[in-house]
Amino acid sequence: SQQGEEDPQALSIQEGENATMNCSYKTSINNLQWYRQNSGRGLVHLILIRSNEREKHSGRLRVTLDTSKKSSSLLITASRAADTASYFCASPNQAGTALIFGKGTTLSVSS
Amino acid sequence: DGGITQSPKYLFRKEGQNVTLSCEQNLNHDAMYWYRQDPGQGLRLIYYSQIVNDFQKGDIAEGYSVSREKKESFPLTVTSAQKNPTAFYLCASNGKTTPNYGYTFGSGTRLTVV
Repeated sequence: SQQGEEDPQALSIQEGENATMNCSYKTSINNLQWYRQNSGRGLVHLILIRSNEREKHSGRLRVTLDTSKKSSSLLITASRAADTASYFCASPNQAGTALIFGKGTTLSVSS
Repeated sequence: DGGITQSPKYLFRKEGQNVTLSCEQNLNHDAMYWYRQDPGQGLRLIYYSQIVNDFQKGDIAEGYSVSREKKESFPLTVTSAQKNPTAFYLCASNGKTTPNYGYTFGSGTRLTVV
């Protein structure tokens, strides 16, 4: 079962542009997390937003959460070539025992 | 440096063989997880363990087995019953037993059936 679904599946932008990825989920959650995966590597935790938070910032990352729409967005400002990677949203399963991941958005930033 | 070590990085399995993927962490984390990733797919949960000597099935446990004899180690065995084992396998750990904190991932093992 997959809790989150990212949109778009793929995104290509130029360096310096902003990149926005969206995530929709199905059930009520107490937190939503975003991860990055470089090609052939493990995932790296980027940011966690709790259900009582609407927006959170970390460096060039901005995450929003709308629990009424069951959706979240990840904004990367002033993108760099090094931001090229796949980005996944994840949220707890219904039992609250493990994270369930979406299929990811593949971001390509060209210089 | 603290982290999770997965080995080997690449593994080739012949038909009918069992193979074991290693996952070791020195983060003193309680919970550990195994995920499978196929091309164009997200991560799917195979097994997880929240405490030593205990583990739970995830969404796709059939054809896999695990053990958790030590807090630091959570090996995954891909058995011959797993009909389509070719995939990228990721191990993760969490300092708490609930998924309300960020996971730390290993760098993965790519398993190919030959």
